[in-house]
Parts: sequence; C-alpha cells; structure tokens
Amino acid sequence: AQRVTQPEKLLSVFKGAPVELKCNYSYSGSPELFWYVQYSRQRLQLLLRHISRESIKGFTADLNKGETSFHLKKPFAQEEDSAMYYCALEGSNYKLTFGKGTLLTVNP
Amino acid sequence: NAGVTQTPKFQVLKTGQSMTLQCAQDMNHEYMSWYRQDPGMGLRLIHYSVGAGITDQGEVPNGYNVSRSTTEDFPLRLLSAAPSQTSVYFCASTERSGAYEQYFGPGTRLTVT
Repeated sequence: AQRVTQPEKLLSVFKGAPVELKCNYSYSGSPELFWYVQYSRQRLQLLLRHISRESIKGFTADLNKGETSFHLKKPFAQEEDSAMYYCALEGSNYKLTFGKGTLLTVNP
Repeated sequence: NAGVTQTPKFQVLKTGQSMTLQCAQDMNHEYMSWYRQDPGMGLRLIHYSVGAGITDQGEVPNGYNVSRSTTEDFPLRLLSAAPSQTSVYFCASTERSGAYEQYFGPGTRLTVT
C-alpha cells in the first residue's frame, strides 16, 4: 500500500523566513513524488516533481529515500506563497495518492 | 484550448437523488481521474481511466460510477446521493508523454441534504 503523510495541517511563518513543508511516504517500489499547490479559490496545480529536480517559484524538494521524505523548502517565504500544499506519490497504474495537505500562511 | 472543464460548478441534491458530474478535456490525454476533496482528508481518488473504454476503482469508489466512451469525456455518476458525498469533486487529466503534468478542473461543489 502507498501512503503519504504530511504531519503539519497548518504552518505559519513570517515573510522572509525560511519555510519547510514536510512530507513522508511509504511505498514498496521506486516512487515518483510531486508537490501540488492550491491557491485560494483556484484549482490545484503542479508545483514540482522530484524527477525534474527543478526549482519553481523558489521552492525545491529533494527526495531522500533513506528517510522516505520529500520535504518542500523555500529560503525566503513571500506572502503570495500562502496556499494549501499537497504532497503526492504516484504508485502502480499511475494512481496518485495525496497527503492531507498543509495550509501555509505567510504573515507580513 | 480550454484544458479541463467541469460542470456544474455547484449542485445541491436531496438524499437519494442521482446526478452526473461532467468532465471534459481537449488535450487528448489518455489518463483521467476523479477525486473528492474533504477538509482534513486531502484528495482521495474515486475512479480513474487509462484510456477510452478502460476504467478502474480508486480509493473511495463506493456510490460512484464512471464510464469512458471517448478520450475527451469522463463523467462521474452518483447513483443515490448520500450526505456523506457532500464534497468538492475534482476531475484531472494527465499528460504522460514528455513532461509529466496533471491538469485539474475547477471543481464541483456538491451538497447533499
């Protein structure tokens, strides 16, 4: 069975502070991991995926197979980063399993 | 190119009623899926399809039916609505060739009374 855990429901930081959204996964195979973001009243959109090893909007995420983690990081948070963030794992048959999400609030 | 469209945006049903949530995409994606989003539960996969004529169950399929007669359309049917199906429903289609990207529709907010 595949499982994604986001331990923090809510995360609040001040503008300019570093932010880290945690994600741990459980999967017996080789995982494909993603971060999705949902801004207020908008649809979900892909933020980044581990295989592309890219940085989007200043966010990065590194897959740590030893710790089965895929934490999302940004060195300097901006107010426009306030949103719901979902970590997701693609397992067998291309099925995506989402974590329960972390609501990030960046205060001015 | 409209991407993924969903209708209706809002719907109120009485317990026991049936209805169909529509989803369409114009990107020629083979893979489409339906999720429900509930507070504190994240998104949970209801049904998915890897191509026309092929569907399969996700994590929470009970009470829902799907079919995929064309590549473009993937409707979700509620057979006999229950209050537990009050949720926001998202349809998604996935680009699997080249850069992976999953595109979500705007969602349908369903209330069952």
